[in-house]
Order: sequence, then structure tokens, then C-alpha cells
Amino acid sequence: DTAVSQTPKYLVTQMGNDKSIKCEQNLGHDTMYWYKQDSKKFLKIMFSYNNKELIINETVPNRFSPKSPDKAHLNLHINSLELGDSAVYFCASSQLFEGFYEQYFGPGTRLTVT
Amino acid sequence: GQQVMQIPQYQHVQEGEDFTTYCNSSTTLSNIQWYKQRPGGHPVFLIQLVKSGEVKKQKRLTFQFGEAKKNSSLHITATQTTDVGTYFCAGPGGGTSYGKLTFGQGTILTVHP
Repeated sequence: DTAVSQTPKYLVTQMGNDKSIKCEQNLGHDTMYWYKQDSKKFLKIMFSYNNKELIINETVPNRFSPKSPDKAHLNLHINSLELGDSAVYFCASSQLFEGFYEQYFGPGTRLTVT
Repeated sequence: GQQVMQIPQYQHVQEGEDFTTYCNSSTTLSNIQWYKQRPGGHPVFLIQLVKSGEVKKQKRLTFQFGEAKKNSSLHITATQTTDVGTYFCAGPGGGTSYGKLTFGQGTILTVHP
């Protein structure tokens, strides 16, 4: 029973292409996130949605556009891919309960732009 | 904005040695979380500390939250090869950003058998 799933797991593409990554969670959580992890393992939040509403939008190029069709899904579309976009992208979800909101991460999508 | 600094960046130990990673924040934290990421894997939640001076244990792992709620540590006693991975601390993002976490840079632990 996968709690947070992402597709694809690997994505190799050329500069200038447009690609999407999909994320789904079956935990019933209200909040979902996209993180980018660079080659030095630094984890940086990109976006967050709460009940389909965008609540966190960090300093991310507008080539990145998240979409949440419902609270169980959060997709990430990237236009005009650049070499610097190569990274591992993690989706995560959480549910605030009595002050606790541990985040559950998906397996990640390793994006390689050539 | 809030920053969470974590040291060391790398730690190499012999199996059986102890290991500690430290986390410091520029501001007082309402809580702090710790995550572990195995090589090739994804971050997995370990624990959340909330109270000033709190100490929690999970088998060989001991987590501490400072009295001023600005620092935290994770100590592993007698490391095993299964402990390898990157350990992250994470603090709340601040403001009204619901659920936002600011992660430390992580400490990459290598355990030599």
C-alpha cells in the first residue's frame, strides 16, 4: 500500500522540452508539497497546496507550474527545461493534527536534463 | 527568512562508534522535526520535538531540543551499517505558511564495517 506515489521515477529529457511529474497520496491528507533536492542533498520546498489551494509558492522560476485537481493529487509541470533543473523532485503530504504534521515523502523523481 | 543550520555536513565513523549531528536556528522554533534519508531513498520522518529541553529516545537514537528552542541534536549510540544515510532536521517555515518546513543542509553519515 503506497502512501505517496510519484510517476515517473526517472525522467531523462533534453533542454527546452516540457515535462510533467505526477503525485498521488492515499493518506487523506489536506496538504501536499513539492520539494527539489540538488546534488548536495539540499532539500528546498517549491510549492504547497492545502485543499487544492496554493499556499506556498517559493522563489521558483515561472517555468514550474503546479496543479492540484483534487486534494489527493498534485502535479508539477515544467516548461522549457534547463540543465539546472536536473535534480530529484519529491512530493510529500501532511495533515495537521494536534500540532503535529509529519510529512510523508514519495519515492522521488530523478530528472536529468541533457 | 528563517534559517536552520546543520553540522557536520559529513561524518564518517567506524561501526560501533557514536555519532551526533547538530541543528541550530536563527530564531526560536515552536517545534523541530528529524528525518532520515537512506541512499537512493526518500526522507522518512523520525520524530518531532515540541517542548523546551525535551529528550526523546528511539532505541539507539536520542533526540534533544534545547532549552531556548533554538537548537537540537540527534545522537546515535554504537552505530550500525544500517544507520547510513542523510539525517535532516527541519523547523517550521514561520509566518502563516501552513505546514512549511525549512530543512537543514543534512548530515551524511557513512559507517565503515
